[in-house]
Amino acid sequence: AQSVTQLGSHVSVSEGALVLLRCNYSSSVPPYLFWYVQYPNQGLQLLLKYTSAATLVKGINGFEAEFKKSETSFHLTKPSAHMRDAAEYFCAVSYPAAGNKLTFGGGTRVLVKP
Amino acid sequence: SAVISQKPSRDICQRGTSLTIQCQVDSQVTMMFWYRQQPGQSLTLIATANQGSEATYESGFVIDKFPISRPNLTFSTLTVSNMSPEDSSIYLCSAVDPGTDTQYFGPGTRLTVL
Repeated sequence: AQSVTQLGSHVSVSEGALVLLRCNYSSSVPPYLFWYVQYPNQGLQLLLKYTSAATLVKGINGFEAEFKKSETSFHLTKPSAHMRDAAEYFCAVSYPAAGNKLTFGGGTRVLVKP
Repeated sequence: SAVISQKPSRDICQRGTSLTIQCQVDSQVTMMFWYRQQPGQSLTLIATANQGSEATYESGFVIDKFPISRPNLTFSTLTVSNMSPEDSSIYLCSAVDPGTDTQYFGPGTRLTVL
């Protein structure tokens, strides 16, 4: 069964600093990969997705992620953190042939310090 | 992208009672799902809501506890039956955009069981 690991349940960054959130998946077949963000008391919003096209994916709010098959990774980055980026971020995988069900990582809560 | 609404947005219920959560999508979709997010945790898939047939449940979830209806291509309900405090969670529905294989989420229903 596939699994998703997010390294670090909490990340603290200073405003203006680089945001790096790590995600690794385990499966022999490259999945579709997603990053979602959950702001306090809200549902999940899609940041970006990888579905076997370009390996560097640009998303909303200045985020991007790079798919590295050799490392089975899909790390999320943003060059300069804003206070509004404080939220919880979830990496997820799906396999269309298996019904598009999402398997989520444990989530990383981002705190942005002024 | 699909726009998804849920009702109620939150509720406080007594143990032993049941609550039905509604999920409405603004366009016809083939695939709808229900997830649970326990306090401070990631999301776990409860079941796939199949239109015109019984839902497909994930390991650890059963129909008697979480009956699901899917009467058409835009609507689904999840019932949390015979509730206990352990059922206190956020319940989210999602739908897959058939053109992009991307899963979009509703805002969630925050359930507290006393």
